[in-house]
Amino acid sequence: NAGVTQTPKFRVLKTGQSMTLLCAQDMNHEYMYWYRQDPGMGLRLIHYSVGEGTTAKGEVPDGYNVSRLKKQNFLLGLESAAPSQTSVYFCASSRGGTDTQYFGPGTRLTVL
Amino acid sequence: TQLLEQSPQFLSIQEGENLTVYCNSSSVFSSLQWYRQEPGEGPVLLVTVVTGGEVKKLKRLTFQFGDARKDSSLHITAAQPGDTGLYLCAVQPLYGGSQGNLIFGKGTKLSVKP
Repeated sequence: NAGVTQTPKFRVLKTGQSMTLLCAQDMNHEYMYWYRQDPGMGLRLIHYSVGEGTTAKGEVPDGYNVSRLKKQNFLLGLESAAPSQTSVYFCASSRGGTDTQYFGPGTRLTVL
Repeated sequence: TQLLEQSPQFLSIQEGENLTVYCNSSSVFSSLQWYRQEPGEGPVLLVTVVTGGEVKKLKRLTFQFGDARKDSSLHITAAQPGDTGLYLCAVQPLYGGSQGNLIFGKGTKLSVKP
């Protein structure tokens, strides 16, 4: 099992560009999450999904959209990137809401 | 206002020393989790503490949940370079917590020098 994988690992964008981050899990987990991690800020939840076809807002959802068309994939989109979105993005998945969350290796995004 | 306060923010020690890091809050939680994150990787769950006063051991790591379930500590005995990393505590909010939406502290960055 690969666990949770994230694509790409690194990306540099210019302000105003758009991109999609892909998260995939092979553990048949129902719940999936997107977090961002900034220096000195810990991890903050952006959006999450409790099942295929469902999404919900987390603590810092503005400027991001998500989709969960397939159970194993959770996509995070930036429609118009801003420098404030420079961060490391982590995806996680869990079997249920109170079960262990398994994290991917992260995507380092820089917006110039 | 940060829900979870972790201290110290940074800690640099020599191999073989003991250390304790803390996770404090003014709120009560049903459970609290500790994660370790190594550079370039995602966090990995170490332990979940549930009962007030609970103590859990994981080899040289000892985790304690406060009696009032507002705080927790992580003690490492005879630290080794492999313990180097960012230690994060996390909780689920009392409302909507069953959705898995964790709230993390800012972490303690530990460096253990050989």
